[in-house]
Amino acid sequence: DGGITQSPKYLFRKEGQNVTLSCEQNLNHDAMYWYRQDPGQGLRLIYYSQIVNDFQKGDIAEGYSVSREKKESFPLTVTSAQKNPTAFYLCASSPRVSNQPQHFGDGTRLSIL
Amino acid sequence: AQSVAQPEDQVNVAEGNPLTVKCTYSVSGNPYLFWYVQYPNRGLQFLLKYITGDNLVKGSYGFEAEFNKSQTSFHLKKPSALVSDSALYFCAVRDPPSNFGNEKLTFGTGTRLTIIP
Repeated sequence: DGGITQSPKYLFRKEGQNVTLSCEQNLNHDAMYWYRQDPGQGLRLIYYSQIVNDFQKGDIAEGYSVSREKKESFPLTVTSAQKNPTAFYLCASSPRVSNQPQHFGDGTRLSIL
Repeated sequence: AQSVAQPEDQVNVAEGNPLTVKCTYSVSGNPYLFWYVQYPNRGLQFLLKYITGDNLVKGSYGFEAEFNKSQTSFHLKKPSALVSDSALYFCAVRDPPSNFGNEKLTFGTGTRLTIIP
C-alpha cells in the first residue's frame, strides 16, 4: 500500500541537541510538507517543498531545517535553536494538481528530556 | 491571506442524532475547502473537499458538507452520529491556485467531537 512513513513515533531530545525526524512517501507526490501540532492551535506549517532540491519556509520555520534531495524523502531537523520543540510533528504530501488533498503520516511526538 | 475559523472547540452529540461541525472561511477568489479527521496519536485523514459544483459535498464514512458562499461557511454534517465518529475534526482552506500548481493549506484550530452513547 502506498503511504507516508514517519519515524520514529516517539523521540526525546536533550538540551542543546539537534534531532532529525524522518518522512518517506511512496505515493510519487511532488509536494511535501511539515506541520507542527500543539493542543488548541491546530496545525502550523514549518516548511514545504514543491519539487526536489527546493523548499520554502512556512509560518514557523525558525529553529528548524529541512532538505529535499530525493522526491520520496523530506527529513526535518529540529535544532537547538528551537527553544520549545515539544509537539506532535506531522509530515504530508500531495500531487502537484492543486485540487487534490494532502496525505498525512502518523506523526512523531517529540519531547524534551 | 486566507483564514479558517472553527468557532466550537468541543461538540457533544448523542449517538443516533444528527451532528454539525462548523467552519467559516475567508479567502480571496474561489475557495478550495477541505475537511480532515484525526484520531488519537494518528495523522489526519481526508474526509471531503469542495472545489466547485454542487454545494452539498459527500465524503467518507457518511459525512457530508454544505458550502454556502453567502455565509462563507463549509459546515460538516452527518445525519446519524456513531460513537466511532468521536475524534478531532479540522477544516482547511487552500491558497488560490498559482502557476506552479500546489499550494499551502491553512487549517482551523480543530473541533473535538464526542458522541455520547
